[in-house]
Amino acid sequence: DGGITQSPKYLFRKEGQNVTLSCEQNLNHDAMYWYRQDPGQGLRLIYYSQIVNDFQKGDIAEGYSVSREKKESFPLTVTSAQKNPTAFYLCASSPASGGLKETQYFGPGTRLLVL
Amino acid sequence: AQKITQTQPGMFVQEKEAVTLDCTYDTSDQSYGLFWYKQPSSGEMIFLIYQGSYDEQNATEGRYSLNFQKARKSANLVISASQLGDSAMYFCAMWGTGRRALTFGSGTRLQVQP
Repeated sequence: DGGITQSPKYLFRKEGQNVTLSCEQNLNHDAMYWYRQDPGQGLRLIYYSQIVNDFQKGDIAEGYSVSREKKESFPLTVTSAQKNPTAFYLCASSPASGGLKETQYFGPGTRLLVL
Repeated sequence: AQKITQTQPGMFVQEKEAVTLDCTYDTSDQSYGLFWYKQPSSGEMIFLIYQGSYDEQNATEGRYSLNFQKARKSANLVISASQLGDSAMYFCAMWGTGRRALTFGSGTRLQVQP
């Protein structure tokens, strides 16, 4: 079955530690995205990538970094510079068809907690 | 810049009744797409329905329909014959020709009562 996998489901971070959230898709989509969701809030865009080896900052990129070395993978690193990382992180992908109906498909999410 | 506004933090509806979830948007793009997603308590985001800015007909997908009023910049979601399984967060989102990513509203929590 095609889909998006995120791991781990829960992640604990200690002060001053960098952690990496995994996102893999087998939908053959060109575009991938990372969103952050705080309790009771909407999704805010962290980073997005329309093609391999290229990515753009979203609205809240500070304290985060990404890489896009493979089409299938778009890992997100939460660095020690992100002072309030506790949130639910959602990865998504879309075909990058060039049209307006660019439906994004989401993974199950990773919940990050600070110890 | 794009902005999505959902003014109803929470809504209650009786089972089998219809409910309308409000969404207004603001954009400088001439062409754009509007989406609704459902988020159950498990956290997954489920795509429900899409409306393009140039579509003349309101979109429908089963029990979901989108009441699109372009002049008023609104894209309300209508759920007919509500079911208990419809209880979830609902998010309105926009795709524009400028930024190649979705912009989401703050969501509406819908609770369906038996």
